[in-house]
Amino acid sequence: IQMTQSPSSLSASVGDRVTITCRASQGISNFLAWFQQKPGKAPKSLIYSASTLQTGVPSKFSGSGSGTEFTLTISSLQPDDFAIYYCQQYYTYPITFGQGTRLEIK
Amino acid sequence: VQLVESGGGVVQPGGSLRLSCEASEFTFSSYGMHWVRQAPGKGLDWVAFIRFDGSDKFYADSVKGRFTISRDNSKNTLYLQMNSLRAEDTAVYYCAKTYGSGSRIDYWGQGTLVTVSS
Repeated sequence: IQMTQSPSSLSASVGDRVTITCRASQGISNFLAWFQQKPGKAPKSLIYSASTLQTGVPSKFSGSGSGTEFTLTISSLQPDDFAIYYCQQYYTYPITFGQGTRLEIK
Repeated sequence: VQLVESGGGVVQPGGSLRLSCEASEFTFSSYGMHWVRQAPGKGLDWVAFIRFDGSDKFYADSVKGRFTISRDNSKNTLYLQMNSLRAEDTAVYYCAKTYGSGSRIDYWGQGTLVTVSS
């Protein structure tokens, strides 16, 4: 299953609200996760089952979608939120990731 | 949850390397585990998965027949045996824990760098 994220990069300002889209090449129900990765660090789990926040993740992050189209929304951007975001399907093997969306400060 | 990878280094093309991931602060024997890699400047690339008891293993096509995932629940350790290494296997290798009996990842290790170069 191919996962395609858009946009590949995104510039935004502190305080903005942004949305990242992830499309699956075939239906994956809600077996969709989102991860955040900062430079030189391991990824961090944000959301699973398309819309459920991982424990400890602030509610400024939200996810939605089912089937083939999913979104990650981040509200009230803070400097700590500027990172690369990846979607991942775990509906079937091989597990696949989107190519990533780089969120940069404008 | 603590996941600490080791075993990375520089190896020549065609060579072998074994990575380890030592787990602590959770009941290792109850959870499936993944290996995920990331080539320099690139995105995340899933490598392999093993069920909690080792009964099932899955691999990416790019490593099938060359890499073997295994675990020793008595030592709380996950392994990745990598043979016939190629330049394109150069990456940071992360181990990752799953939640429950499924395959979704909830925690990641810090990674170990494997460089395949002559």
